[in-house]
Amino acid sequence: DAGVIQSPRHEVTEMGQEVTLRCKPISGHNSLFWYRQTMMRGLELLIYFNNNVPIDDSGMPEDRFSAKMPNASFSTLKIQPSEPRDSAVYFCASSFTEEQFFGPGTRLTVL
Amino acid sequence: SQKIEQNSEALNIQEGKTATLTCNYTNYSPAYLQWYRQDPGRGPVFLLLIRENEKEKRKERLKVTFDTTLKQSLFHITASQPADSATYLCALSSGSARQLTFGSGTQLTVLP
Repeated sequence: DAGVIQSPRHEVTEMGQEVTLRCKPISGHNSLFWYRQTMMRGLELLIYFNNNVPIDDSGMPEDRFSAKMPNASFSTLKIQPSEPRDSAVYFCASSFTEEQFFGPGTRLTVL
Repeated sequence: SQKIEQNSEALNIQEGKTATLTCNYTNYSPAYLQWYRQDPGRGPVFLLLIRENEKEKRKERLKVTFDTTLKQSLFHITASQPADSATYLCALSSGSARQLTFGSGTQLTVLP
């Protein structure tokens, strides 16, 4: 198994632009998580899907952030419009039991 | 408010010694606690899970304890090696099933 796949690995964009991050979970996993990691705030849960349904999006910073999971093998996290304070590493993780498997992350820089 | 504290942002130890990392929490009643390892530029990797009714869990050179009265977990790496150098994160179950809240991590350096 290839593990959790995230794309792109690096993204540099200008303030105000739309950013879309992509995630392919491990086949057979029914839970998917989006996290954001910064030096200041550590690893924060943004949103959690179970069986493609959003269960808890209380960690989504504001309306500029949205996430979708149209099927069991794909999820997106969109930021529109992006701001410099959104610069961070964004991780996707999937699970079938309590253990979570993380992807390599997308390093986002908003100038 | 809920809080997870991992003692010492950085811990340096000599190769061969036992590293002990601490995770304290307040205002949580976690059903389980997990430890993850994170290397620079990579995502966290699961190491161990311990449930609220378990006192201790072992896996090779790793040992985790969980004291729900003290609200504390200790993570031990025995016979430490330079390859054990990484950031170690504790995570508590919270909210809906399988949701985790992570501590800020402890950066461990094992000196040869």
